[in-house]
Amino acid sequence: DQQVKQNSPSLSVQEGRISILNCDYTNSMFDYFLWYKKYPAEGPTFLISISSIKDKNEDGRFTVFLNKSAKHLSLHIVPSQPGDSAVYFCAASARASGTYKYIFGTGTRLKVLA
Amino acid sequence: DTAVSQTPKYLVTQMGNDKSIKCEQNLGHDTMYWYKQDSKKFLKIMFSYNNKELIINETVPNRFSPKSPDKAHLNLHINSLELGDSAVYFCASSQRGGLQETQYFGPGTRLLVL
Repeated sequence: DQQVKQNSPSLSVQEGRISILNCDYTNSMFDYFLWYKKYPAEGPTFLISISSIKDKNEDGRFTVFLNKSAKHLSLHIVPSQPGDSAVYFCAASARASGTYKYIFGTGTRLKVLA
Repeated sequence: DTAVSQTPKYLVTQMGNDKSIKCEQNLGHDTMYWYKQDSKKFLKIMFSYNNKELIINETVPNRFSPKSPDKAHLNLHINSLELGDSAVYFCASSQRGGLQETQYFGPGTRLLVL
């Protein structure tokens, strides 16, 4: 049973436009969420995180939105650049329960077209 | 000065063999993890050690045995390798208790069991 889902396996966006990557979760105990970016033959690298006490966190071109009632988060990249082409994973954990286990989605492959 | 390093990067071996994968982090973190990414791209936690103590042990066959000689190292030994063990294994580290806990991943070890 996949508790964190990324239903779009791939996404293509024109350079300069907005990329929106979505992630849904089922466990209401999750209170901390992260986005990772992964290039081929490399490990995932941390991009941005958000705690459940917030509904938005911004870092440069990257913004993560959290909708707790819908159990949904999204990553916005504006403007998209060719170097953003990678696989993006969202991950969630239930830190308040004392566990530091992260559950990952299956990833969305973003292709930014020049 | 790689933050999280894994050796070997590639491992091709026969069924039934025993093999080890090594992981080292130079970030001064107190927690280390092993993840498995299978052919369906699921990134699943296997084990986690905090200050050399096992804190997460998912449903993993007994053939997999992690060993943490010190806080900077977490090795994974696999006995009697099976075809289904073929996957990419990622090591990660983090510092627990921080306001923003981020896991830093190694480059992965691609294991192919023939």
